[in-house]
Amino acid sequence: DIQMTQSPSSLSASVGDRVTVTCRASQSIGTSLNWYQQIPGRAPKLLIYAATSLQSGVPSRFGGSGSGTDFTLTISSLQPEDFATYYCQQSYNTPRTFGQGTKVEF
Amino acid sequence: QVQLQESGPGLVKPSQSLSLTCIVSGISISRGGYHWTWIRQHPGKGLEWIGYISYSGSANYSPSLTGRISISLDTSKNQFSLRLASVTAADTAIYYCARDLIMPAMSKDAFDMWGQGTMVTVSS
Repeated sequence: DIQMTQSPSSLSASVGDRVTVTCRASQSIGTSLNWYQQIPGRAPKLLIYAATSLQSGVPSRFGGSGSGTDFTLTISSLQPEDFATYYCQQSYNTPRTFGQGTKVEF
Repeated sequence: QVQLQESGPGLVKPSQSLSLTCIVSGISISRGGYHWTWIRQHPGKGLEWIGYISYSGSANYSPSLTGRISISLDTSKNQFSLRLASVTAADTAIYYCARDLIMPAMSKDAFDMWGQGTMVTVSS
């Protein structure tokens, strides 16, 4: 199985901050990397697919970068509705695997 | 619009089987380009991929659950189902059904639609 490791596990930020979450794969996965946002009590929501492509309807303050084993999710200017947990997920092979999550807190 | 809705018992006894159904509306599950997927989340924990079934009926399961898991498709009811045998407390989780959208031309393979999730507790 491909192991996905996110850092940090949690971070404190304020509205307007630039936030960066990193994800590392245990082997090269090209750009087969997706990012999700999960608000407590809700299902995850797709933000970024194929490492850099913004899902339809997702605000442009969300961005993704990286390839191979190292990936980054960036929120350019944190908004109140962005306080949530973020997960990366590889779609390179099965079993599909997720990172452990990064909680963005106030 | 496309919607997914999980249904099934919220409480299952240890050693029994867990059975959940995902009712899909807004799109035919017989249509190609999707893997109909189950994902679970243990309380307060991260996400775990359980497996999927394709529009053609071929299935792919997590190795950690192989032997206990079965995912099936019912095209007449436009739904797919999960059966997990011999459950223990470790199977207590929120179970989500999701659509894995596969678009090779866009390098897209991601869970773009999710059900709201259903909590299943394994307890006597």
